[in-house]
Amino acid sequence: QSVLTQPPSASGTPGQRVTISCSGSSSNIGSNYVYWYQHLPGTAPKLLIYGNNQRPSGVPARFSGSKSGTSASLAISGLRSEDEADYYCAAWDDSLSGSYVFGTGTKVTVL
Amino acid sequence: EVQLLESGGGLVQPGGSLRLSCAASGFTFRSYAMSWVRQAPGKGLEWVSVISGSGGSTYYADSVKGRFTISRDNSKNTLYLQINSLRAEDTAVYYCAKGTTVTTEGWFDPWGQGSLVTVSS
Repeated sequence: QSVLTQPPSASGTPGQRVTISCSGSSSNIGSNYVYWYQHLPGTAPKLLIYGNNQRPSGVPARFSGSKSGTSASLAISGLRSEDEADYYCAAWDDSLSGSYVFGTGTKVTVL
Repeated sequence: EVQLLESGGGLVQPGGSLRLSCAASGFTFRSYAMSWVRQAPGKGLEWVSVISGSGGSTYYADSVKGRFTISRDNSKNTLYLQINSLRAEDTAVYYCAKGTTVTTEGWFDPWGQGSLVTVSS
């Protein structure tokens, strides 16, 4: 079962800003980096954010990540129709010997 | 260009076994950890296992420990996942993903397209 909690859904109109939260604990988010992945059904998941707030080359600047204590968030500004997807946070967990944990996932809908 | 191609999925009866493969190209395979992640129908992503670049370190999710075995053949640039004692709840698309260092840390990118495993009688 997921140890990182995300809201099941989020939505916005084109151009709006959407924020997705990710709540963990001291053994995962509190002591390790947070990563964010975008997943469109039927395709390979894609890395959006690494190291809490770093964007890989090719990821638009309208995607941004942040972390505070045992929580993290992903913001999508200037929402576009192609951003409609599932988003997952992830982190290594020190209490689960070498385990990587994903969040419960958030479905973003562009209205 | 990094490419990861999974194979070996299919329909298997409960209690059966299966070996998934992930053929890698476009990078120095032995220099990177590799991981398996799965997604059951209608569910979220679930991390399954990770192996270091040398193959000397392996870790598993509690849900698969004792039944799944991750391995790699660096001479063939191929990652494997041996799945035994299959259960209905193992039905999922299995993705392989490339790590960022030789050790089991960091993030996973890119990912393969996935291989579907269906456990049913």
